[in-house]
Amino acid sequence: NAGVTQTPKFQVLKTGQSMTLQCAQDMNHNSMYWYRQDPGMGLRLIYYSASEGTTDKGEVPNGYNVSRLNKREFSLRLESAAPSQTSVYFCASSETYRDYGYTFGSGTRLTVV
Amino acid sequence: QQPVQSPQAVILREGEDAVINCSSSKALYSVHWYRQKHGEAPVFLMILLKGGEQKGHEKISASFNEKKQQSSLYLTASQLSYSGTYFCGTALISSGSARQLTFGSGTQLTVLP
Repeated sequence: NAGVTQTPKFQVLKTGQSMTLQCAQDMNHNSMYWYRQDPGMGLRLIYYSASEGTTDKGEVPNGYNVSRLNKREFSLRLESAAPSQTSVYFCASSETYRDYGYTFGSGTRLTVV
Repeated sequence: QQPVQSPQAVILREGEDAVINCSSSKALYSVHWYRQKHGEAPVFLMILLKGGEQKGHEKISASFNEKKQQSSLYLTASQLSYSGTYFCGTALISSGSARQLTFGSGTQLTVLP
């Protein structure tokens, strides 16, 4: 099925551990995004990539790094996880230069203990 | 920069109407509306572009007042399936080709039988 695939769906980390969240889309979209969702705070943009080879910081980039591996894949890395990074993480993609909506992945629920 | 949504929550009976508002202090290129059901990813409903327009999708429609930088989502003759949290996402005129969105904190809509 066409769409955005995120892995893993659930993850528990200990403080200080590192991990990479994977995201891949098969819709040939140029732009990809990483958001985190915390209760009562909506979705906040962590990083985005307007096109292959470019990445930019969003509203809450501290503690994260990203890699746009190719047009399909956009990964999010936590180098040293902290309890404040406990959240649900969503990857999304969209067309560039076209006014279409975002397609979201199903999310990764991350708990840092 | 986060758009302000109101109300925060609304409870309806089936068949009743509701209006959700979204306002921004910045000049907007577009306003998106998404619905998210519990434990699921946000799903795109519609996009409105600067220039002021109104769109419809089933019994859900929206308007965009460019002068006020405000958008409203109208749900008429609500159905049980309309329950969920509604988010507006705004793209600034200055956001460039990525059109990255800033989301409001959401409006929780509950439709009762």
